[in-house]
Amino acid sequence: GAGVSQSPSNKVTEKGKDVELRCDPISGHTALYWYRQRLGQGLEFLIYFQGNSAPDKSGLPSDRFSAERTGESVSTLTIQRTQQEDSAVYLCASSRATQETQYFGPGTRLLVL
Amino acid sequence: AQSVAQPEDQVNVAEGNPLTVKCTYSVSGNPYLFWYVQYPNRGLQFLLKYITGDNLVKGSYGFEAEFNKSQTSFHLKKPSALVSDSALYFCAVRDGRDSSYKLIFGSGTRLLVRP
Repeated sequence: GAGVSQSPSNKVTEKGKDVELRCDPISGHTALYWYRQRLGQGLEFLIYFQGNSAPDKSGLPSDRFSAERTGESVSTLTIQRTQQEDSAVYLCASSRATQETQYFGPGTRLLVL
Repeated sequence: AQSVAQPEDQVNVAEGNPLTVKCTYSVSGNPYLFWYVQYPNRGLQFLLKYITGDNLVKGSYGFEAEFNKSQTSFHLKKPSALVSDSALYFCAVRDGRDSSYKLIFGSGTRLLVRP
């Protein structure tokens, strides 16, 4: 079956611009996660969605970052007024339920000039 | 606090030889442990996980990992390496308490298998 998909695959933007990243989870997966991977580092948790519960936003690095999810489908991660330190790969994952294995998308590589 | 350590930035091994990629962890409750592999310009692919039961876990592509509670380790192993195994490997841990879902990742180990 189809895996997690993300778009765009690459995004180059100028400092100060807003960007929107999209994630389509595996169909039927109720839990969705966003992570950030900086160059040469492991993944940092950003935000978690589970059904209609309030999302866990505890990993968002600043108030410039926000995310939404429509029901149990698409999620968008928005970064406002991008900074150079936002340059990273943003990975989305989904799981069938909260404690099930997380399956990752290919990521969006963001470069802020 | 939960943490994962992958002490080796890179592991080099000749094709056909056994490989080991090391991982140690720290978690308050029972650990749920995972290995993921990342090929260039691709997302993470799930390899295997330990939740409970047999300490030796078998996963995709001939990989296996051994959970050692006393040493708080979960090393990834393969009896005979392939050049195509060359990639970036991540170990991750989750606290096994019911409310936990966050994965904590190590910094990754690059595996290079030479022909």
